[in-house]
Amino acid sequence: KAGVTQTPRYLIKTRGQQVTLSCSPISGHRSVSWYQQTPGQGLQFLFEYFSETQRNKGNFPGRFSGRQFSNSRSEMNVSTLELGDSALYLCASSWQGAVEQFFGPGTRLTVL
Amino acid sequence: GQQVMQIPQYQHVQEGEDFTTYCNSSTTLSNIQWYKQRPGGHPVFLIQLVKSGEVKKQKRLTFQFGEAKKNSSLHITATQTTDVGTYFCAVDGGGSGAGSYQLTFGKGTKLSVIP
Repeated sequence: KAGVTQTPRYLIKTRGQQVTLSCSPISGHRSVSWYQQTPGQGLQFLFEYFSETQRNKGNFPGRFSGRQFSNSRSEMNVSTLELGDSALYLCASSWQGAVEQFFGPGTRLTVL
Repeated sequence: GQQVMQIPQYQHVQEGEDFTTYCNSSTTLSNIQWYKQRPGGHPVFLIQLVKSGEVKKQKRLTFQFGEAKKNSSLHITATQTTDVGTYFCAVDGGGSGAGSYQLTFGKGTKLSVIP
């Protein structure tokens, strides 16, 4: 079974721009979560989607948003990029009701 | 929300030595998970502990959940170079809705193994 895929793998943007990241979960997984990983703050939860609905949201500003499509694929959008948004953005999927998260390889975002 | 402190932040060991990382919470946890992230890789689920005092083993890895369910440890016996990576504990912050989870991760312990 194919794992979680994320595109693009690397991205370079400048301050003020916006970016959209994509995540395709493991087939059959309907829950998709997004995390931001930085050396200073570690792994931080952004939000979780299930059946096209955002169920949980972490403590991030409104510039961070996401959505999920009917095929469970998810996108994450960051508007008005700041230097501090440079990070590895990880997507994880899971079975409904299962705690185990299956992570994708991540998208490395660099903001200049 | 839930917070967990993980120590140590870094650990350098000689190959063959043992390694332990600890995760502590000020509140009672419903469960705790452990993940491993290899350099340049992504977190990979290792195990989940649910019961008070639970001990689980995976080959050279031993996972423990404290009696009060406020702390947990991961112990690796006789480390190998393949054990290199960062080990994270993660706790469920209590998402909204049945079957919904919101994981809070510890800062991780970065393990280096000197051959």
